[in-house]
Amino acid sequence: NAGVTQTPKFRILKIGQSMTLQCTQDMNHNYMYWYRQDPGMGLKLIYYSVGAGITDKGEVPNGYNVSRSTTEDFPLRLELAAPSQTSVYFCASSYGPSGGNEQFFGPGTRLTVL
Amino acid sequence: AQKVTQAQTEISVVEKEDVTLDCVYETRDTTYYLFWYKQPPSGELVFLIRRNSFDEQNEISGRYSWNFQKSTSSFNFTITASQVVDSAVYFCALRGPSGTYKYIFGTGTRLKVLA
Repeated sequence: NAGVTQTPKFRILKIGQSMTLQCTQDMNHNYMYWYRQDPGMGLKLIYYSVGAGITDKGEVPNGYNVSRSTTEDFPLRLELAAPSQTSVYFCASSYGPSGGNEQFFGPGTRLTVL
Repeated sequence: AQKVTQAQTEISVVEKEDVTLDCVYETRDTTYYLFWYKQPPSGELVFLIRRNSFDEQNEISGRYSWNFQKSTSSFNFTITASQVVDSAVYFCALRGPSGTYKYIFGTGTRLKVLA
């Protein structure tokens, strides 16, 4: 049981480049989330999904897109990278919809945009 | 609106001292859930505990204990006899009743335990 896996672990992008951050979970969780964590700050929700084919915006969705074609995978797409997107990105999942279910987090992707 | 406040940005203690991390929450839901997560220097977030709004029993797990008080909307976390390995950022989070999706995180408290 690998839990939540994310690739890559680190990435440096040039301004204007695009990339996809991969996230996979093997726990058959319905709910999946993408957060960003800026240095010294808390977590901000970018997008979330309550099941395959269903996604919705969180607090800071601008500049990002997601898809959820399977239960397991929830990739995050950055289009036209900007320095403001330099951050650590965490994918998480939970066995929704019970409110008492904790989130399981991936190891994070550290992204730098120069 | 829901909100979680962790007023302590950073705390430094000397090893073996006890330390309490504060968490104050706001919600209008009668059913809700509270969580604590640990983020060690390696960066990964690790779940520590959950508590639902109907269970005000305090919980102890080894050197860790949690005090949930609905009257003051607080869910505080105490580490007894702190160790260097406890150095991390600790996050408190709130989630509403079943059917809600969002976890509201506090801004975290960075704990430094000095040898």
